[in-house]
Amino acid sequence: AQSVAQPEDQVNVAEGNPLTVKCTYSVSGNPYLFWYVQYPNRGLQFLLKYITGDNLVKGSYGFEAEFNKSQTSFHLKKPSALVSDSALYFCAVRVGAGGYQKVTFGIGTKLQVIP
Amino acid sequence: GAVVSQHPSRVICKSGTSVKIECRSLDFQATTMFWYRQFPKKSLMLMATSNEGSKATYEQGVEKDKFLINHASLTLSTLTVTSAHPEDSSFYICSASPGRGTEAFFGQGTRLTVV
Repeated sequence: AQSVAQPEDQVNVAEGNPLTVKCTYSVSGNPYLFWYVQYPNRGLQFLLKYITGDNLVKGSYGFEAEFNKSQTSFHLKKPSALVSDSALYFCAVRVGAGGYQKVTFGIGTKLQVIP
Repeated sequence: GAVVSQHPSRVICKSGTSVKIECRSLDFQATTMFWYRQFPKKSLMLMATSNEGSKATYEQGVEKDKFLINHASLTLSTLTVTSAHPEDSSFYICSASPGRGTEAFFGQGTRLTVV
């Protein structure tokens, strides 16, 4: 079974400060890890993914995430937060490369960037 | 990136009626699509895996007779909520992956309100 934990229900950060949204995972096998963002009443937008290779992955809107195999973590980061980054963020994991394989999501972390 | 279109974005229906939600992959073929339900302030709950040309695979606890899924072509999956009740009110989202090693792309979601 695969699972994802997002330990923080909400993260508050001042505009211009660095932000981190935490994610840990549990899988049997090599994980494919993803971050998505959701704005109110909208679907999910893909931010970035880790498949293999460099542990530091860069994605959309200046976000990046670091894959840490020993800690089974995949924290989302951004050097300087914007008010427009305020949204709901989901970490997700899939075991296997196939698009037919289901993705398991964390419960989501609400990011609030304070002007 | 690949585009998944979901329709309608909002629907209000009377209790006891049925509602159909469409999910289309606009620029790729998808043999597999996924249907999720999202409760307020909650993560995405996978309802079922929709397989083109065959029966959907439902997750435990999801009533297959209530949530009918049809995946008649490589670009279209439909979810029909039959005999809807107020407790079926929710945000429903579909997703699909263009191919091996790719991330899942999500539809815009459908806000269903049963009155």
